[in-house]
Amino acid sequence: TQLLEQSPQFLSIQEGENLTVYCNSSSVFSSLQWYRQEPGEGPVLLVTVVTGGEVKKLKRLTFQFGDARKDSSLHITAAQPGDTGLYLCAGPNYGGSQGNLIFGKGTKLSVKP
Amino acid sequence: KAGVTQTPRYLIKTRGQQVTLSCSPISGHRSVSWYQQTPGQGLQFLFEYFSETQRNKGNFPGRFSGRQFSNSRSEMNVSTLELGDSALYLCASSLGALDTQYFGPGTRLTVL
Repeated sequence: TQLLEQSPQFLSIQEGENLTVYCNSSSVFSSLQWYRQEPGEGPVLLVTVVTGGEVKKLKRLTFQFGDARKDSSLHITAAQPGDTGLYLCAGPNYGGSQGNLIFGKGTKLSVKP
Repeated sequence: KAGVTQTPRYLIKTRGQQVTLSCSPISGHRSVSWYQQTPGQGLQFLFEYFSETQRNKGNFPGRFSGRQFSNSRSEMNVSTLELGDSALYLCASSLGALDTQYFGPGTRLTVL
């Protein structure tokens, strides 16, 4: 069974601080996706990383896929209150009762003004 | 292009009742997946439909069922509701099985 573990589970910071959240697995993934979910809404896809070692930037967000394709990180520079939400990582699952996409439990980020 | 829509957005039911939730995927998407999200368990996979066929099912009791229509719209039904069924139910659509999934806003179900 493939598992994705995210850390930290909760993170509360002040506006302007930097932060990194992690997504780890003992399994190799062909790709990993990051979603952000705001309260009462569905997850919204931020990025997909597909190549080991790949780095993608989305404004103040930097996503990295580990060389061995077992882990990924999301770094936010100068966090803003609008970054508040639940950050989920997800990877393809080839069959089984977990569905086509398995999710980590997420990191709940709160950015205070 | 319109996104994934789910109706209703909020629902309050009592134990023992049944409920039907609806999902309209993005036009052209043939795969619809359903998830249950709770604070403690995170996102848990319920089932996936493709071209009206259930292709995959998660570890949920038989009280949870679903179907997909020829226009790719999908419904899920929960019978004999329990307090523990209170959750955000999310629907996601994709072109194919392992393509990017796009989520709807969810239906918040509260069971009293």
